[in-house]
Amino acid sequence: QKEVEQDPGPLSVPEGAIVSLNCTYSNSAFQYFMWYRQYSRKGPELLMYTYSSGNKEDGRFTAQVDKSSKYISLFIRDSQPSDSATYLCAMSASGYNKLIFGAGTRLAVHP
Amino acid sequence: DAMVIQNPRYQVTQFGKPVTLSCSQTLNHNVMYWYQQKSSQAPKLLFHYYDKDFNNEADTPDNFQSRRPNTSFCFLDIRSPGLGDAAMYLCATSREASAIEQYFGPGTRLTVT
Repeated sequence: QKEVEQDPGPLSVPEGAIVSLNCTYSNSAFQYFMWYRQYSRKGPELLMYTYSSGNKEDGRFTAQVDKSSKYISLFIRDSQPSDSATYLCAMSASGYNKLIFGAGTRLAVHP
Repeated sequence: DAMVIQNPRYQVTQFGKPVTLSCSQTLNHNVMYWYQQKSSQAPKLLFHYYDKDFNNEADTPDNFQSRRPNTSFCFLDIRSPGLGDAAMYLCATSREASAIEQYFGPGTRLTVT
């Protein structure tokens, strides 16, 4: 079993839809939870991160962590074609531990 | 703009022919990482440097080596590439080892013929 599981998609939604992207994990030691966005032929860029459980909002993006279920989510409100990318979740047990990535979910937002 | 630069963006090499990938950064970050990302798979950490201190992942094949001659540059050497080494190679940096945010370069796509 992989430490981090992520549905590869592709997920295709119309512009303006609410998007939900999810990851599950097996290592209960994970404390830091990150979402990276990767455009085609580019490197990943950090969107947002959360420490431990709870929600965090940044503009149209909301990250949610449920440690009891070992489940994290990224919600995108009012999705735009420019949100079309691969979204990778990543986790670490502490700031000094390496990041463990999910394989990414490919999202396509069509006008 | 401060950034992470990788050269070349695309590299074709022959089976068994040594190849070197290059990464440079203008962020003046202490930590530099090399990841391997195969198609539709998660980026996998190969090794990282904290300043000049080299840290190899336990499952990184001996075929992969790295050099960091100074703060700005880091190289990935593949001594005898096999077909299974075809992948995107991503370089990343972070300010400190404890930093959550890593800054990625655009990657080098390696093809082995």
